[in-house]
Amino acid sequence: KNEVEQSPQNLTAQEGEFITINCSYSVGISALHWLQQHPGGGIVSLFMLSSGKKKHGRLIATINIQEKHSSLHITASHPRDSAVYICAARLDSNYQLIWGAGTKLIIKP
Amino acid sequence: EPEVTQTPSHQVTQMGQEVILRCVPISNHLYFYWYRQILGQKVEFLVSFYNNEISEKSEIFDDQFSVERPDGSNFTLKIRSTKLEDSAMYFCACGRANTEAFFGQGTRLTVV
Repeated sequence: KNEVEQSPQNLTAQEGEFITINCSYSVGISALHWLQQHPGGGIVSLFMLSSGKKKHGRLIATINIQEKHSSLHITASHPRDSAVYICAARLDSNYQLIWGAGTKLIIKP
Repeated sequence: EPEVTQTPSHQVTQMGQEVILRCVPISNHLYFYWYRQILGQKVEFLVSFYNNEISEKSEIFDDQFSVERPDGSNFTLKIRSTKLEDSAMYFCACGRANTEAFFGQGTRLTVV
């Protein structure tokens, strides 16, 4: 069983739509990361969460520690948001990041 | 904005050859990591490095792999005798604390 599960695997939406990507984990964590991977492969860290909610521009990330669930939201989506979005969990007392499989997001104009 | 720099961006090497992947972390960051992503697969943890020694390593990080900070700024990953299955994107990351992670753009390694 994967320790970090993401859904959906693929998501296609129209420009302007509100996007939600979900991440569930089955292990104790010290932090959860949301990252963006561009078509060329480069990875950009979007958020690091250990509780609550963070917002950066049109991106919002939330985490519910009790339910072991996190969501990434994109408001007013734009074609340039098209990328793979990955959640990765840092285990308690551990340097490893356990990665989800990623959600491939395509925003159509 | 400070960034993590990886070189080369793409390397092609023959099976059995040694390769060194280089990373220049953000200044004052003390925690360093290497990850890899085989084409079409999840990103995988390789190794973490703190205070000039390995903190943790995965099963992938066998005797063919090594890391070092040769000059206090660069952080390198060496693969001694490359295999075809080492072909992947290799990412360096760093942080000030063991929960942060700032990533480089990656080195695409192709073993032929």
